[in-house]
Amino acid sequence: DQQVKQNSPSLSVQEGRISILNCDYTNSMFDYFLWYKKYPAEGPTFLISISSIKDKNEDGRFTVFLNKSAKHLSLHIVPSQPGDSAVYFCAASVSYAGNMLTFGGGTRLMVKP
Amino acid sequence: DAGVIQSPRHEVTEMGQEVTLRCKPISGHDYLFWYRQTMMRGLELLIYFNNNVPIDDSGMPEDRFSAKMPNASFSTLKIQPSEPRDSAVYFCASSFGDRVYYGYTFGSGTRLTVV
Repeated sequence: DQQVKQNSPSLSVQEGRISILNCDYTNSMFDYFLWYKKYPAEGPTFLISISSIKDKNEDGRFTVFLNKSAKHLSLHIVPSQPGDSAVYFCAASVSYAGNMLTFGGGTRLMVKP
Repeated sequence: DAGVIQSPRHEVTEMGQEVTLRCKPISGHDYLFWYRQTMMRGLELLIYFNNNVPIDDSGMPEDRFSAKMPNASFSTLKIQPSEPRDSAVYFCASSFGDRVYYGYTFGSGTRLTVV
């Protein structure tokens, strides 16, 4: 049973448009969420995070939204650039119970020029 | 800092052989994690250590898998005997402290192919 799910394995977006990547979770104890970006032949790198006490966190072109009642978070990239083409993983943690992250299956984003 | 260093980058081995994957975490980090990435299961946690002590190995698929951390700067993941279904990319990651606020730092991974 996957506690963190990314139901879209892939997403294709035109350069300059908005990319929206979605993530759902089932464990109501999760209180900290992160997004990672992964290029081929590299390890995942941290992108942005959000605490459950917030519903939005913004960092440049990247914004993460959290809907606790729906157990849903999303990553918005505006505007999308070809260099954003990568696999994006969402991850969740029970922050007060240590720092173990549970990852989703990933979504491959392709930004077309 | 050179980041988390994993070796080898690629490993091709025959079924039944022993495979050892290596990881050097970032100096000063007190947590070390081994993850496996497959198409079917995404990134799954195999085992993690805190101050060189294994804390949770519930993700280790079976007794063929073992992991050690003899000191703060080195860890190994061993598969003996290896099977084709073990083919995957194995990542090591490290972090500091018991909070995830800044996430983990991952290595570049070892792509294992068992034929």
